[in-house]
Amino acid sequence: GQNIDQPTEMTATEGAIVQINCTYQTSGFNGLFWYQQHAGEAPTFLSYNVLDGLEEKGRFSSFLSRSKGYSYLLLKELQMKDSASYLCAVSDSNYQLIWGAGTKLIIKP
Amino acid sequence: DAMVIQNPRYQVTQFGKPVTLSCSQTLNHNVMYWYQQKSSQAPKLLFHYYDKDFNNEADTPDNFQSRRPNTSFCFLDIRSPGLGDAAMYLCATSRNRDSSLAQYFGPGTRLLVL
Repeated sequence: GQNIDQPTEMTATEGAIVQINCTYQTSGFNGLFWYQQHAGEAPTFLSYNVLDGLEEKGRFSSFLSRSKGYSYLLLKELQMKDSASYLCAVSDSNYQLIWGAGTKLIIKP
Repeated sequence: DAMVIQNPRYQVTQFGKPVTLSCSQTLNHNVMYWYQQKSSQAPKLLFHYYDKDFNNEADTPDNFQSRRPNTSFCFLDIRSPGLGDAAMYLCATSRNRDSSLAQYFGPGTRLLVL
């Protein structure tokens, strides 16, 4: 079966750095997405990785290792507005997105 | 601004009473998706349209139907809502089915079944 695993919840302090991990097992791989979802709102696109390595975009970076079936989202200089759920999604061999349940990130002052 | 619009944001219906949720987009994207998302769960794909080509997920109940009368609009019809259908319904679009293209979501419609 196809499976995406992420921690259910994480807590971090304002101004700090946090790393949210995602492991996946899918039938085929055509890229991995990270989305941010605030409570009661729709997901918004953060990043896309298809090759191994680190993609940096401002305070957010995303890393991929295809051989390990592993990705992480790194958030730097955390702000209170970063409190949200972060969803990992993999595009499989049929170009369908397989979604993780999301990691709820709680930022404390 | 180009966007994905869903109306209404909140919908209350009665058990067994048909309900229609709507989605429109100004992005001129070829693909439109309907997802169901329950609290603290992953979005679950119900179906998608690639242009006029309808693609139903194997485990989507027959109770859920969809229509796409033109490029801009897509509707989700729930013929006989049950209590288990209470959820957030998300409409999303992408330019094509290319794996590198992100999906853009509307704000969602939260459905409450009484």
